Amino acid sequence: DAKTTQPPSMDCAEGRAANLPCNHSTISGNEYVYWYRQIHSQGPQYIIHGLKNNETNEMASLIITEDRKSSTLILPHATLRDTAVYYCIVRVDTGGFKTIFGAGTRLFVKA
Amino acid sequence: DTEVTQTPKHLVMGMTNKKSLKCEQHMGHRAMYWYKQKAKKPPELMFVYSYEKLSINESVPSRFSPECPNSSLLNLHLHALQPEDSALYLCASSQAGRPKDYGYTFGSGTRLTVV
Repeated sequence: DAKTTQPPSMDCAEGRAANLPCNHSTISGNEYVYWYRQIHSQGPQYIIHGLKNNETNEMASLIITEDRKSSTLILPHATLRDTAVYYCIVRVDTGGFKTIFGAGTRLFVKA
Repeated sequence: DTEVTQTPKHLVMGMTNKKSLKCEQHMGHRAMYWYKQKAKKPPELMFVYSYEKLSINESVPSRFSPECPNSSLLNLHLHALQPEDSALYLCASSQAGRPKDYGYTFGSGTRLTVV
């Protein structure tokens, strides 16, 4: 299983870009990188995913390095409502549908 | 409808009780999941259903019994639980055919307290 490593916590000023890093040095060629977030007492929310190319949607951008060993989730203009735990996940696909959550990064957006 | 609905939102049960958690989705997703989350910890996968069949059981104790009666509904039957089973129980769903291409949609969870 490809393992991910994230910093336990980060701060960001409101209105600034939040850049959340993730290391996944053992990722396999056909494994996708997924990002979810969990706001306090709610279920996790899917944000974005990618394989090789950079991806952007209405919530965030995902930058994956050329060697695919790390990635960065970018929230372009963080708001107080973006305060949450952000999980970087590499999908394990072993005859089933396993999404295994690591410890994640607790992002605090401050006014 | 783009939601996963879980009921009840809160549940308190005794160690000798039998109760059930319910999860429902109408997005046409054919994969459904149960996760357990303790306070300040990440969600832990319990069960995976694919096309209404149990495909993954992460060595969960038999006091937790999942059921998928149809493609929209997922239940988790609880019996003889212990206080350490108190947690937030999360249900999720996703497309089943191409798992690498889709994210999961999670419900808001059932907060279970075993007394």
